Amino acid sequence: DAGITQSPRHKVTETGTPVTLRCHQTENHRYMYWYRQDPGHGLRLIHYSYGVKDTDKGEVSDGYSVSRSKTEDFLLTLESATSSQTSVYFCAISEDIRVTDEQFFGPGTRLTVL
Amino acid sequence: AQKITQTQPGMFVQEKEAVTLDCTYDTSDQSYGLFWYKQPSSGEMIFLIYQGSYDEQNATEGRYSLNFQKARKSANLVISASQLGDSAMYFCAMRAFTSGGYQKVTFGIGTKLQVIP
Repeated sequence: DAGITQSPRHKVTETGTPVTLRCHQTENHRYMYWYRQDPGHGLRLIHYSYGVKDTDKGEVSDGYSVSRSKTEDFLLTLESATSSQTSVYFCAISEDIRVTDEQFFGPGTRLTVL
Repeated sequence: AQKITQTQPGMFVQEKEAVTLDCTYDTSDQSYGLFWYKQPSSGEMIFLIYQGSYDEQNATEGRYSLNFQKARKSANLVISASQLGDSAMYFCAMRAFTSGGYQKVTFGIGTKLQVIP
């Protein structure tokens, strides 16, 4: 199994509070991704990173920011959480960005915003 | 725009029989990759199989095969000899790149497969 961990695994927070989710990898892969999974929507890409300090937006980036100061860590921040951001968040990594490259997924973080 | 369609919200299959999970896609890109992932009730995403847009032969991985029909824009997953452990959600996904080099990743909404003893 690819070495990907996510923390926390579960979080309950209140509307308006900031939240940061962490993805940590031990594979030294260049590319990292954040997805959210919601019933009826499958997985949707929030942001991805193609190197240290290099990030780009995905399909549903509004309300989220990311940072990557080290190869192994990719942080997802909800500046002011809303109930619509209640979801399961998955981090993924890939060695390269070719379309052939498999993405390996972390275990997921279940976030509930009350 | 890039789109993945999975029209079967739920499927049942008898143990030891084969089952086909449908996936159609839409893209204007020439180069793209199609993937299938399995998500059991425990929640993790497990890679099953990959098909490249330029691959002429259908991909196979053990009991999994991908029936790729490029002209129809379909990439159906076939599971042979179903096992109880195959009960899970299955997601079809596509990766492609814009002309500007930005990545696009799209997942379908999934199909829930239940294997009956």
